[in-house]
Amino acid sequence: DARVTQTPRHKVTEMGQEVTMRCQPILGHNTVFWYRQTMMQGLELLAYFRNRAPLDDSGMPKDRFSAEMPDATLATLKIQPSEPRDSAVYFCASGLEGSGKNTGELFFGEGSRLTVL
Amino acid sequence: SQKIEQNSEALNIQEGKTATLTCNYTNYSPAYLQWYRQDPGRGPVFLLLIRENEKEKRKERLKVTFDTTLKQSLFHITASQPADSATYLCALDTGGFKTIFGAGTRLFVKA
Repeated sequence: DARVTQTPRHKVTEMGQEVTMRCQPILGHNTVFWYRQTMMQGLELLAYFRNRAPLDDSGMPKDRFSAEMPDATLATLKIQPSEPRDSAVYFCASGLEGSGKNTGELFFGEGSRLTVL
Repeated sequence: SQKIEQNSEALNIQEGKTATLTCNYTNYSPAYLQWYRQDPGRGPVFLLLIRENEKEKRKERLKVTFDTTLKQSLFHITASQPADSATYLCALDTGGFKTIFGAGTRLFVKA
C-alpha cells in the first residue's frame, strides 16, 4: 500500500531552535510538494520539486526556511531559526507528472504538527 | 495573484439531503480542478478531478461541475451520510502541476 511518509508527526520546540521535517514520497513519483496548513491561511504551497530539482519556492520565507531533496526517496524542510508564527501542520505530497502520465492527483502524508514556544 | 474562494462558514445539513459546496477562483484559467476531503488530524485525500473541457464529472454519490466562464466549480454529495462530515478542499493546477488549494469548507451531516 503505497503512501507518503512524514516524520516527525509531532514536534514541540522552543523559539530559535532548528527544526527538520522529513518526507518519503511514493516510489516512482517525480513531483514533491511542501504545504503548510493553519486555521487562518488554510493550505499554503511552500515549495515543490520535479525530479529532485526545485521548481518553485516562492511561497517559502527564504531567510529561515529551506527545502531540499537529497535523493529521490527523501525530501526535507528545515526551519532555522524557528519562530512561534511557524507553528502549523506541514504536509508533504507527491504526484506523477509527465506527458500522458499526469493524473493530477496528489497523495498527502499525515503531516508534521509543529509547535514553536 | 491567484485566489481560490470557498465558503468559510460550515455547512450543516440533514442526513439524506444533497450537500452543495462552492469553489470560485480568479486570475487564472486552470487546465483542471480537483476536490479533496480532509478529516481532522489527517492529510487531504483526493476525490475527483475535472478538466477544463468537461462540464460535469460523477463518482458514486459525488458530482462535480466546472464552469470556466463563471470560474466556478460546484461539488455535490447526494444522499449525504454522517460519515461524509469532513472538510472539503478545492484545488487548482496553476501550470506545470503546481497545485494550490482553497481554505476548505467544513461539512456536518446530522443523523
